[in-house]
Amino acid sequence: DAMVIQNPRYQVTQFGKPVTLSCSQTLNHNVMYWYQQKSSQAPKLLFHYYDKDFNNEADTPDNFQSRRPNTSFCFLDIRSPGLGDAAMYLCATSRDRGGARKYEFFGPGTRLTVL
Amino acid sequence: DQQVKQNSPSLSVQEGRISILNCDYTNSMFDYFLWYKKYPAEGPTFLISISSIKDKNEDGRFTVFLNKSAKHLSLHIVPSQPGDSAVYFCAASAGGADGLTFGKGTHLIIQP
Repeated sequence: DAMVIQNPRYQVTQFGKPVTLSCSQTLNHNVMYWYQQKSSQAPKLLFHYYDKDFNNEADTPDNFQSRRPNTSFCFLDIRSPGLGDAAMYLCATSRDRGGARKYEFFGPGTRLTVL
Repeated sequence: DQQVKQNSPSLSVQEGRISILNCDYTNSMFDYFLWYKKYPAEGPTFLISISSIKDKNEDGRFTVFLNKSAKHLSLHIVPSQPGDSAVYFCAASAGGADGLTFGKGTHLIIQP
């Protein structure tokens, strides 16, 4: 019955070692998002895909990349994780853009630890 | 520069009473507002939303009020139940922009 699935739930990586987080959805939604949430902070949008169209937020570091090979899957790649990248990473989907169609379904998140 | 602010990190309410969670925003381009509820170890789940053309939206025990002139919205939960204990996030979106701008959340604790 799961709708937005994130793997793994917990990820430990070493400083500077590339890491990939995975998100899949069974909702067939057009839009997929990645948010970063640091402790006691608001979730912050990193980027999103509208279908295959990639949209980066202006202040998202170049260290963060994303891939969406098909409708169901989206990946977050962190090329050289720093200690400041330790956070919860939330994947979300929405059916479409605008108004009432905007509300997003979230996955349970992947907690990333950087040693 | 927080565009969505939830100034109360936590709120404690007795079971059966009304819970009022507040949210302020600064971006006048926001035209759609949402509340999410989050339990530990789970992602946020959508609770209720309101368009900027309305000032109130009700869904069962949950009502959201929007005061555009004050750039303020609030979520009322009546009556509060133990299962309402969670972190509540206020979020907003602007026109054609994608993605949501979130507040930091308010941890609601319902006491028996």
